[in-house]
Order: sequence, then structure tokens, then C-alpha cells
Amino acid sequence: QSALTQPASVSGSPGQSITISCTGTSRDVGSYNLVSWYQQHPGKAPKLMIHEVRKRPSGVSNRFSGSKSGNTASLTISGLQAEDEADYYCCSYAGSSTYVVFGGGTKLTVL
Amino acid sequence: QVHLVQSGAEVKEPGASVKVSCKASGDTFTTSFMNWVRQAPGQGLELMGIINPSGGSTTYGQKFQGRVTMTRDTSTGTVYMELSSLRSEDTAVYYCARSPDVGVFDYWGQGTLVTVSS
Repeated sequence: QSALTQPASVSGSPGQSITISCTGTSRDVGSYNLVSWYQQHPGKAPKLMIHEVRKRPSGVSNRFSGSKSGNTASLTISGLQAEDEADYYCCSYAGSSTYVVFGGGTKLTVL
Repeated sequence: QVHLVQSGAEVKEPGASVKVSCKASGDTFTTSFMNWVRQAPGQGLELMGIINPSGGSTTYGQKFQGRVTMTRDTSTGTVYMELSSLRSEDTAVYYCARSPDVGVFDYWGQGTLVTVSS
């Protein structure tokens, strides 16, 4: 069982927007603005999409955005495209002893 | 541009050890922490531990304490992860990943599949 809770799957049609939630606790998501999101296509390594809750690395489309409220972080993908179909994982810093915790992953299907 | 290149797939018998390497390009080697993250088939991501390539200090996840050893070779810009007493549950893809800052992994190796089977 993963430390952070994500929905197992979400889906949307091309052009639509979807949001993936990531629920933790006051010991991780709720205490630090150090939530990151990773996209993983089958057979590939994860790719950083969002860090520090809402910052996009260079080269990541502005269709990807992040937010946080209390113990829950969210990733929103707007203007869905076929290439967005992948697994998405959230991650949060959880203090110096645990360091980070991951979510169980969400499979995004573009219909 | 940072590039992390890992060693190839391994097949090991239960009880054996495996050592996976991760070679970093550029001058990033001693400026960022390096992490090892594993992913069992069809499962999520799991942090195994962290190494500071500059001084060699390590922090291991509680689950892996006593079985994992992370080292580095500054002359070649390579970090290593050795896992001992392998069991079938250790079958997974093992990734190295760079942390430029706390709790974020910005560059990843291509992954190394380790299969534990008799």
C-alpha cells in the first residue's frame, strides 16, 4: 500500500481537461510544498512534469499544472492529447528520516 | 544536458547479489544527490536510498537496510547499487535518478531489469 493515495485510473477525451488527486497526510503533503509529479509511458523511465507543487521544468507543456490544498495535491492536464496517455505518479517530501513517499500511480486513458 | 546510463539487465538466483551501475554525464556528478528507485512489475515507484557522490554518504530506506549498499567512483562519474540476499520479490526495474534539490528527481537512467529466479 502506497503512502500517497491516487485514483487507479482516470480518462478523458481529446481536448478535455482532467485532474488527478494525490492525498497524503500532515506529515508529508500537508507539511511541505515539495510535491512533484512524474509521467511514465510503458517501458520508459519516469519523466518529471511538476515540482514544488506547481513549477514546470523547462520543456514541459503549459497544459500541465499543479496545485495543493491541505493534504491533497492535484495535477491538471488541459487540452488532452493522445500522447498524454500514460501512468502518473505523485511524490512528496516527508521529512529527513523518510525522505520521500510516492503515490501508487494513476493510469490516464485518452478516449 | 544530463545523461544517466545504466548497466544491462541481470538474471540472478535467489540468495545471490546484484550490482547495478549508473554513469552520469557532464559535471553534474558531485553537485547533486543520486537516488535509486525501483519498480516491481505492474507496480509503483519505491525509493531505495540516496547517495551524495561528493562525500559518499548514504541514506537507505528502512526496508532495504542491511541488504543494500550504494557507492560511487568519482573518477568515472559512476554510482553503484548492490542488493544482496536476493529473493523473487526483488524482481524489478531499478532506476538511478538525480536530485538537484530536496525531494525531486529531474533526470532518470533508462532502468535496469533485475530478474530473480531459480
